[in-house]
Amino acid sequence: SQQGEEDPQALSIQEGENATMNCSYKTSINNLQWYRQNSGRGLVHLILIRSNEREKHSGRLRVTLDTSKKSSSLLITASRAADTASYFCATAVFGNEKLTFGTGTRLTIIP
Amino acid sequence: SAVISQKPSRDICQRGTSLTIQCQVDSQVTMMFWYRQQPGQSLTLIATANQGSEATYESGFVIDKFPISRPNLTFSTLTVSNMSPEDSSIYLCSVAEGVGNTIYFGEGSWLTVV
Repeated sequence: SQQGEEDPQALSIQEGENATMNCSYKTSINNLQWYRQNSGRGLVHLILIRSNEREKHSGRLRVTLDTSKKSSSLLITASRAADTASYFCATAVFGNEKLTFGTGTRLTIIP
Repeated sequence: SAVISQKPSRDICQRGTSLTIQCQVDSQVTMMFWYRQQPGQSLTLIATANQGSEATYESGFVIDKFPISRPNLTFSTLTVSNMSPEDSSIYLCSVAEGVGNTIYFGEGSWLTVV
């Protein structure tokens, strides 16, 4: 069964706006990873954040992690049409590299 | 980062047949995994491919249906046996370069069973 839930399930915004996606999980984790998937393709790794980290940045991406609330967020700033994709969070527990995926958010950027 | 090649990228298969998907990594990796993504769904782990030994399957997946090989640290195969339309999915290979590190995915193999 899926451990993570993502919110919203779908999001449409105008190009240039910021997009925020949220992920919740149920158990203690070692790390949380965010991925992007263009339609029918493989997963592109975006960011890994460890359980002892609270925030990480990579270009226009900002990820936060709140282990007390078992939640994470992905912020994409100044969105572009090329950001249109599905975004997934995935968690790994300590000592185990198997990923448990969230339900995903379908992001559409309107030019 | 590891570069992962999967073959085939896409195929249309007849009901009752079997298809083997190959996963080749450009460097030696400690762990390899196979995931399934059914249409419109998220990813579900099928099994961990163990080098030189039998794969470790997740609940709901069995070796007779999804036999896996991993002869070395850079290559693995997943066979989808006796396919039915319910097996129509994207199958993805993933690798981990060590405990707690980034996990990378291949481009996926999109199978349609007719």
